Amino acid sequence: GQNIDQPTEMTATEGAIVQINCTYQTSGFNGLFWYQQHAGEAPTFLSYNVLDGLEEKGRFSSFLSRSKGYSYLLLKELQMKDSASYLCAVRDSNYQLIWGAGTKLIIKP
Amino acid sequence: IAGITQAPTSQILAAGRRMTLRCTQDMRHNAMYWYRQDLGLGLRLIHYSNTAGTTGKGEVPDGYSVSRANTDDFPLTLASAVPSQTSVYFCASSDSGAGANVLTFGAGSRLTVL
Repeated sequence: GQNIDQPTEMTATEGAIVQINCTYQTSGFNGLFWYQQHAGEAPTFLSYNVLDGLEEKGRFSSFLSRSKGYSYLLLKELQMKDSASYLCAVRDSNYQLIWGAGTKLIIKP
Repeated sequence: IAGITQAPTSQILAAGRRMTLRCTQDMRHNAMYWYRQDLGLGLRLIHYSNTAGTTGKGEVPDGYSVSRANTDDFPLTLASAVPSQTSVYFCASSDSGAGANVLTFGAGSRLTVL
């Protein structure tokens, strides 16, 4: 079956760096997405990786290794507003999105 | 402001009742989707539509129906609600051209079936 694994919850300190991992087993691969979802709100797009390597966008970076079925989202200079759930999703060979359950990130002062 | 509008925001419904969740987008996106989100689970696709006039079944379609009469509207109907359909429902859309096809989500509809 298809599976996306992420840690359920992580805690980090304001100003620090945190890495949220995502491993996947899917039928084919056509891209990996990270979305941010604040409590009670809709998911919003953060990043997209289709080739191996690091994509940097301001304080957020996303890494992909297709051979390892692995991605991470790196958040630098953490701010209180980064407290949210981070959703990893993989697009499979049928171009359907398979979603992880999300990682709840708690930022402490 | 361009985006997706969902209604109602929240609804409590008696089991056995019929309910339609409304979704309208103004971005002229070809593809639209309905997801449900439950605690501890990833978003699960209920139904989708790649273009007006066509629909398809997602991962959890049973008990739900959709229609896509035009580009902008994609209502989701629960013909006879059951308690297991208590969830938060998100409508989303994307431009189905080449590339990332990033999803834009509505604010969600929280449905409680008693």
